[in-house]
Amino acid sequence: GESVGLHLPTLSVQEGDNSIINCAYSNSASDYFIWYKQESGKGPQFIIDIRSNMDKRQGQRVTVLLNKTVKHLSLQIAATQPGDSAVYFCAGVPSSGSARQLTFGSGTQLTVLP
Amino acid sequence: DTGVSQDPRHKITKRGQNVTFRCDPISEHNRLYWYRQTLGQGPEFLTYFQNEAQLEKSRLLSDRFSAERPKGSFSTLEIQRTEQGDSAMYLCASSSTRTSGMSGELFFGEGSRLTVL
Repeated sequence: GESVGLHLPTLSVQEGDNSIINCAYSNSASDYFIWYKQESGKGPQFIIDIRSNMDKRQGQRVTVLLNKTVKHLSLQIAATQPGDSAVYFCAGVPSSGSARQLTFGSGTQLTVLP
Repeated sequence: DTGVSQDPRHKITKRGQNVTFRCDPISEHNRLYWYRQTLGQGPEFLTYFQNEAQLEKSRLLSDRFSAERPKGSFSTLEIQRTEQGDSAMYLCASSSTRTSGMSGELFFGEGSRLTVL
């Protein structure tokens, strides 16, 4: 099955700086990957996703990069704001194509410093 | 519709007691999922329904756990003879197979936190 994991359990950035959160995966047969944000006491919230046939996808203030050669993906947050403080998870979906097998990594706690 | 709702938000119980959690998905979402999340970890898949049919169960779902979705709308997750190791956040999520494009974004509820004493 899929295995995803994050490089750093914690990340601190200054407000206004860009944040980069990294994730590695082990199974090349994943169809796509999703980034979720989880604030304290709340359920995970979808941020952005990317299919395995893409290498970049942009959203509002966020960009996901996928490097299939080294099995690595990253989430970039531009102009980080205090409201971005949360735990960020990457999750992989195998090629069977159903979100029922979403496999989450252990998360990176992003702290935005004033 | 305000999203996925779960009840209760917090439950404290003594070891050996039974507990039941309820999840109301987003209206017209035909898929419903249960995940478990322990402190510092990502959510772990437990089980999944499409309409009223339970299509997949994780090996994490021991025989003390049972989930139902009798009418294809709300779902319940029951844990019998609770153990201290069952203490976790139980998350419910829903999605629609009619979502175009990707396989279907999961919309999570805010979870039911279980503490077993």
